[in-house]
Parts: sequence; structure tokens; C-alpha cells
Amino acid sequence: AAGVIQSPRHLIKEKRETATLKCYPIPRHDTVYWYQQGPGQDPQFLISFYEKMQSDKGSIPDRFSAQQFSDYHSELNMSSLELGDSALYFCASSLGPKTGTEAFFGQGTRLTVV
Amino acid sequence: AQSVTQLDSHVSVSEGTPVLLRCNYSSSYSPSLFWYVQHPNKGLQLLLKYTSAATLVKGINGFEAEFKKSETSFHLTKPSAHMSDAAEYFCVVSDPSSGGYNKLIFGAGTRLAVHP
Repeated sequence: AAGVIQSPRHLIKEKRETATLKCYPIPRHDTVYWYQQGPGQDPQFLISFYEKMQSDKGSIPDRFSAQQFSDYHSELNMSSLELGDSALYFCASSLGPKTGTEAFFGQGTRLTVV
Repeated sequence: AQSVTQLDSHVSVSEGTPVLLRCNYSSSYSPSLFWYVQHPNKGLQLLLKYTSAATLVKGINGFEAEFKKSETSFHLTKPSAHMSDAAEYFCVVSDPSSGGYNKLIFGAGTRLAVHP
């Protein structure tokens, strides 16, 4: 079965550069979530989208922005990168945004800022 | 706001012995609860979920969890550990306070080690 696809899997950037992470949800899933997992940390919610509209916002820095496109894929744009942005970034998708809906996670993008 | 507390940061068991990973939640609502597993350098895989149906939930790979409202617990168990079960396990609650939208709140995680 098709899963959530994230690209790239690994990314190395220098401080102050920009990065774009992409997420392709499971077919027919209309809701996308982004999470950040620092080394040895639990995943922290960044932002979510439902039907191309932002549905919720967590601890996403102002330097980051995200959107969901008409084909439901989502992109997380990160500017003025800092060393502390080094983390594993997960995308998840679900069919519908309601509480308790099962969310399926991608393999993650490991971002290293040097 | 909802939250989850995983009572053990590390659990070590012998292969073939039972596994118990403890999770307590706090919630003002009827919660939706999940257990996810993360193998090293891998993504998060859903093991099982509770959404106000049966209190004993069976998941994949022989895992199950029991929702106990009186104890606000959702402990994960497995009768017999396998070496391949070694991983990080996250207890997760869905927070409905964000306008009814699905917002997953993760516990700090429990690292399970399985030794021969």
C-alpha cells in the first residue's frame, strides 16, 4: 500500500540558508501534519493543513512557513536556518482532520544545519 | 490541554519475557489514544489506537493496550518480547481542544531494549 512520501530523506544546509521539505500524503488523504523531532526528543507538532487550509499551528518558528497544494501535497519552507533547526522532520497524513483520526507518518527528512 | 506521561524512559527485558510500557494521560475530554513505535533511523509506525470503543485494544506484532479510565492509563503490553521489538515507543493523545482538529501530543518516549 502507498505510504506517506517525504523528500528529500537527508538534507545538509549551512546556517542562514533556506530549505524546502516536501510531503506527499497517502492517496485520498486530505490532511497533512508536520512534526519536528530533535535528537533524543519526542516529536513536536509544527503545523497542520486540511483541504489546503491551515487547520492548526503549533511551535513553528516565524522563519518557517508551509502550505498544502491542490494535489494535497505539502511543503515546509525553512529560512535563515539555525544550528538548532537540525532535526528529523516528519510529515503525517490522515483521511479527515477530526480528533482521533489515524495518522500515518512518513520516514522523515533528516535536516542537518552546519 | 491534554498530555501524556510515559513513566519509564528505558525498559529492558529478556527475549521471551513479557513487556509492559506504562502511559498515563490527562484529559478533560474522552481521549483518543495511540501507541507508535519508532525503530532506529525509521519513521513512526502506528501500533494500535483507542477511540472509545473496546477498552482492550489489539495492535500489530502481538501488542495490546488497555484503556483504564479510573486510572487514566493506557499501558502497552506484549506477552513475549522478540529481539525485533527493540525500539522507541511513544504514547500519543489526540488533543481535541484545537477546534476539533486532530492534534497529536506525544509522550517523551520509552526506549525498549531486548536482550537474549
